[in-house]
Amino acid sequence: ELKVEQNPLFLSMQEGKNYTIYCNYSTTSDRLYWYRQDPGKSLESLFVLLSNGAVKQEGRLMASLDTKARLSTLHITAAVHDLSATYFCAVDLIANAGGTSYGKLTFGQGTILTVHP
Amino acid sequence: NAGVTQTPKFQVLKTGQSMTLQCAQDMNHEYMSWYRQDPGMGLRLIHYSVGAGITDQGEVPNGYNVSRSTTEDFPLRLLSAAPSQTSVYFCASRRTINYGYTFGSGTRLTVV
Repeated sequence: ELKVEQNPLFLSMQEGKNYTIYCNYSTTSDRLYWYRQDPGKSLESLFVLLSNGAVKQEGRLMASLDTKARLSTLHITAAVHDLSATYFCAVDLIANAGGTSYGKLTFGQGTILTVHP
Repeated sequence: NAGVTQTPKFQVLKTGQSMTLQCAQDMNHEYMSWYRQDPGMGLRLIHYSVGAGITDQGEVPNGYNVSRSTTEDFPLRLLSAAPSQTSVYFCASRRTINYGYTFGSGTRLTVV
């Protein structure tokens, strides 16, 4: 059974500071996704990481994937209040060695990020 | 494109009632999924589909049925509602495994 664990679960940051959210997963996969959710809203896709060593950046957010360590990171640079939200990582289950995924996305618990002035 | 459309947005059911949550997408996506979101538990997969006529169970399928007769539609049926099914339900779709999922706006369901 695939398990996906995020830490920290709660993150309170000051504006202008840097921090990293970690996402560990328990079984082989090379497909990892990051989502953002604002309170009472749906999920918004942030990054799609499809191979070992993949790095994607958008504004103050940068995501990376290390499939050997089964670890993805979401790095926040110079946080601003608008980044306050819940961030989820999600891992695709690879059904066989050929890389066929049956769409079973497993989510982490989410990290609630609050950025203070 | 309207994206992923879920209806209704809010619903209150009595214990034992049945209902269908509707999900439709107009992007010709092959993959569709239903998730429920409960506080502190992230999103849990209920059922998913990799194409018309093909469905499979996720992590928490009990009490729910799905069918996928067309590419566009993926309804979720609650057979006999229970208070434990009070949750926010999200439908999602994606083109292929190389893309992230696009989520609908959600259905907030309360079972009393």
